[in-house]
Amino acid sequence: AQSVTQLDSHVSVSEGTPVLLRCNYSSSYSPSLFWYVQHPNKGLQLLLKYTSAATLVKGINGFEAEFKKSETSFHLTKPSAHMSDAAEYFCVVSDYRGSTLGRLYFGRGTQLTVWP
Amino acid sequence: DAGVTQSPTHLIKTRGQQVTLRCSPKSGHDTVSWYQQALGQGPQFIFQYYEEEERQRGNFPDRFSGHQFPNYSSELNVNALLLGDSALYLCASSLARQTYGYTFGSGTRLTVV
Repeated sequence: AQSVTQLDSHVSVSEGTPVLLRCNYSSSYSPSLFWYVQHPNKGLQLLLKYTSAATLVKGINGFEAEFKKSETSFHLTKPSAHMSDAAEYFCVVSDYRGSTLGRLYFGRGTQLTVWP
Repeated sequence: DAGVTQSPTHLIKTRGQQVTLRCSPKSGHDTVSWYQQALGQGPQFIFQYYEEEERQRGNFPDRFSGHQFPNYSSELNVNALLLGDSALYLCASSLARQTYGYTFGSGTRLTVV
């Protein structure tokens, strides 16, 4: 079975400081992992994905995540937070199946607040 | 290039009524999935449609049903609405056999009173 645990429900940082959003996953097989961002009253936007290529994945807006199989983690980082990064972030695992993409399993989300 | 379009954006229904939500996938996509996002929660998978058939289903009762049309658009129907069905309903489209990820719509906010 697939599942993700986002270790922090809320993270607050000052503008210009690093961001770390933590995620652990559980998967019965080699996982596909994603981070999505959701701004208020908006849909989900894909930040980055891991599908068994390079373990350090670079995404949009300066975000990156590192896949660590030994720790079953897929933490999201950004060197310097911007006010526009304030949003809800979801760590997601997929049970990719053959010819279809499979279903996505979402974590509960981490609300990122950025202080000026 | 249009993304995923969902309609309506908001609606209010009375307990016991039925509702239909609509989704037009991103151009070129052929697979549609529906998710329910309750307030303060992550989205939960309802079901997925490909080639006009339900391919996978999450842990939702039979009150939740769907359909996919030949043009790949999709409908989500919910019968006998309960207060607990109040949520944001998200549609996501993708292309079968491609692993890049889903494109999500902005959702339909359903309030059951």
